Amino acid sequence: DAGITQSPRHKVTETGTPVTLRCHQTENHRYMYWYRQDPGHGLRLIHYSYGVKDTDKGEVSDGYSVSRSKTEDFLLTLESATSSQTSVYFCAISEYLLAGLNTGELFFGEGSRLTVL
Amino acid sequence: KNEVEQSPQNLTAQEGEFITINCSYSVGISALHWLQQHPGGGIVSLFMLSSGKKKHGRLIATINIQEKHSSLHITASHPRDSAVYICAVKYSGGGADGLTFGKGTHLIIQP
Repeated sequence: DAGITQSPRHKVTETGTPVTLRCHQTENHRYMYWYRQDPGHGLRLIHYSYGVKDTDKGEVSDGYSVSRSKTEDFLLTLESATSSQTSVYFCAISEYLLAGLNTGELFFGEGSRLTVL
Repeated sequence: KNEVEQSPQNLTAQEGEFITINCSYSVGISALHWLQQHPGGGIVSLFMLSSGKKKHGRLIATINIQEKHSSLHITASHPRDSAVYICAVKYSGGGADGLTFGKGTHLIIQP
């Protein structure tokens, strides 16, 4: 199994509080992703990183920020949590190769279930 | 927005049956992934393919690039195959911004 861990695995918080989810990898993969999974939707990309201090927005980035100060850690922060951010969050890593020629396999963390009351 | 469509959404079958799950997409891709998610569990990559066919144990994945269609087959299905199966594609020309996912097919295999 790929060495990827998420913390916390479960969290209940109140509207308006800040929340940080951590993704830690031991694979030295360059690419890291944060997705959210909600009923009736496929996995949706929040933010991704293609290197240390290199991040970009995904499809549903509003209300979220990320940071990557080390290769192994990718943090997702909700500055002021809202009930619409209640979801299961998945981190994924990939050693993405050349665009259009190949795409590295994705490895997922176990998920972090966040409930915002 | 490029979509990934899976069918069926839900499938219940008896142990031993041959299972087929379908995935279609709209434009050219560089790779297609099949993923498995058990209830309450994490997501595991089953296959990544860009052409032809791959086989792993009782699982077979095929892709037809011209028809923009892929299938996941399970032979001699077993209750432990019960899971959500997710198709995801990497569109050609895209950057490192991950995959586009289907909504998943919920498979239940009854003993």
